[in-house]
Amino acid sequence: QKEVEQDPGPLSVPEGAIVSLNCTYSNSAFQYFMWYRQYSRKGPELLMYTYSSGNKEDGRFTAQVDKSSKYISLFIRDSQPSDSATYLCAMSAAGNQFYFGTGTSLTVIP
Amino acid sequence: DTEVTQTPKHLVMGMTNKKSLKCEQHMGHRAMYWYKQKAKKPPELMFVYSYEKLSINESVPSRFSPECPNSSLLNLHLHALQPEDSALYLCASSQELSWRNIQYFGAGTRLSVL
Repeated sequence: QKEVEQDPGPLSVPEGAIVSLNCTYSNSAFQYFMWYRQYSRKGPELLMYTYSSGNKEDGRFTAQVDKSSKYISLFIRDSQPSDSATYLCAMSAAGNQFYFGTGTSLTVIP
Repeated sequence: DTEVTQTPKHLVMGMTNKKSLKCEQHMGHRAMYWYKQKAKKPPELMFVYSYEKLSINESVPSRFSPECPNSSLLNLHLHALQPEDSALYLCASSQELSWRNIQYFGAGTRLSVL
């Protein structure tokens, strides 16, 4: 079983839709959770990070962590064509364990 | 400023060439990383430097040779590469080598080996 599971998509939504991206994990030791956005042929850009269960909001983005279910989500409200990218979840634990999900490819159609 | 700068952006090399990739950050970060990313895959860790010392080498072939000349600079020397080494090479940095520290990535060098 992989440490981090992420649905690769592709996911295609109309402009203005609410997008939900998800990752599950198996290692209960993970404590820091990150979302990166990666445009085609570019490096990953940090979007959000959190280290506790609950929600964290930044503009149109909300990161949600449910440690009891080992499940994290990223919600994008009022999605824009410029949000079209691959979204990678990542998580870390003591012992310098750092894992990426496989990434979800998102296309927002104007 | 959370900028990690990588040069060159693109590199084409033959299997007998020697080339180097460069990464620079001026955030005062003491941990720097090299990753390799193939299309539609997540980044794979290659090397980690902490305080200019090699801390992690993920069993990378010796045709890849990292170097950390100072706390702001990280190089990856390439020699006798294979076509399957063609990929996006990403540099990242974090404040310390700690699971609590966020990694910031550069834009990458797209390498093609002919």
